[in-house]
Formats: sequence, structure tokens, C-alpha cells
Amino acid sequence: KQEVTQIPAALSVPEGENLVLNCSFTDSAIYNLQWFRQDPGKGLTSLLLIQSSQREQTSGRLNASLDKSSGRSTLYIAASQPGDSATYLCAVSGNTPLVFGKGTRLSVIA
Amino acid sequence: ETGVTQSPTHLIKTRGQQVTLRCSSQSGHNTVSWYQQALGQGPQFIFQYYREEENGRGNFPPRFSGLQFPNYSSELNVNALELDDSALYLCASSSDHGFNYGYTFGSGTRLTVV
Repeated sequence: KQEVTQIPAALSVPEGENLVLNCSFTDSAIYNLQWFRQDPGKGLTSLLLIQSSQREQTSGRLNASLDKSSGRSTLYIAASQPGDSATYLCAVSGNTPLVFGKGTRLSVIA
Repeated sequence: ETGVTQSPTHLIKTRGQQVTLRCSSQSGHNTVSWYQQALGQGPQFIFQYYREEENGRGNFPPRFSGLQFPNYSSELNVNALELDDSALYLCASSSDHGFNYGYTFGSGTRLTVV
């Protein structure tokens, strides 16, 4: 059974800092990994999708990496802004459509 | 291109009642999946529909059921509501089971059971 863990559960940083969010999964037989953003009480916004054959994807200030063999992914956010404050979820797609971690709640302080 | 839309946005029901939640998939998407997200938790997979057939189900009891229509929109039905069914219900759609393009999510329906 696939399990996804995200560390840390919560993170508070001053504006302008670079930061890394971590995601690990137990079964390396995945099709892809997706990072989402969720604002309080809202739905999920897809940030980045990494195919199992890829090592990383970039979008603006965001960079996600994937090491399938070790079951790890990281989301790097450069030059953080208060508007980045949200919960970040990673999810892997395999035999089950999407298995999610519990998320990392990020607060960027101005 | 319209995204995934869900209705209603909020709902309050009494324990024991039945509820129907609705989802319109993104244009061009033929796969719809439903997730339950309790407060402070990650979303949990309920089931998935592909071309009107259920093709995957998570660890949810039979009182959670669904439908997909020819236009690929979908319904989630929950019978005999329990207090623990209070959650955010998320619908997601994909054009290819999420293999190459991932999933697009709606804004969710917040269900409160009292």
C-alpha cells in the first residue's frame, strides 16, 4: 500500500527566503508525482507534474525534483513571498489514482 | 477552456440523510475521481469513473456511490450520513487517467453533518 509522508508539517519563514519542502513515498512504482497548493477551505491548484522518467520540473520560482528509486521528491521555492502562504500537498499516481501526503503548511512572514 | 466545477459549495445535512454532490469535468477530460478531505488531512481517494464505468475504488463503504454521465460530468451520493462524513469533497478530472497530464481539481464542496 502506497504511503506518502511530508516533512515538515508546518514551516514559517521570513519573506525572501529560499525554502525546501520534502515528500517521500514507499512504493517506487509510480506513473508521476504532482505538487499542489491549497488555500484554506479551497480546492487544489496544480503546481508541477513530474513524470516517473523525469528528474525535475520548473515553473517560475518553483522547482520540483524526483528521485524515484529512493522514493523522494522536493519542492524548492525561491525568494518566498507572503502570497506563497498556503498548504502544499504532494501526491503520487500509480495503481491508485492519487495518494496524498498530509501537506506542509507554509507561512511567509512579511 | 473551463475548469472543473463543483456544486454546491457548502451544504449542511442531518445525520441519517442522503446527499448528492455534483461535478462537471474539464472540457476534453473523460476521467473523474472523487476525494474526501477531513480537516488537517490529505485528500483520500473515494472512487474513479472512466467513460461512465467505475474503474477504481478506495476504502469507503458502499453507502458512498457515484455516477458518470455521457458528458463526463459526475455525481457523488452518500446515504445514511454520519457525523464523520463532514469533510471537503473534491472532484478531479483527467484526460488520460492522469498518466501524462495529471489531474485538475475543482474548488470542492464543504459538507457538514449535524
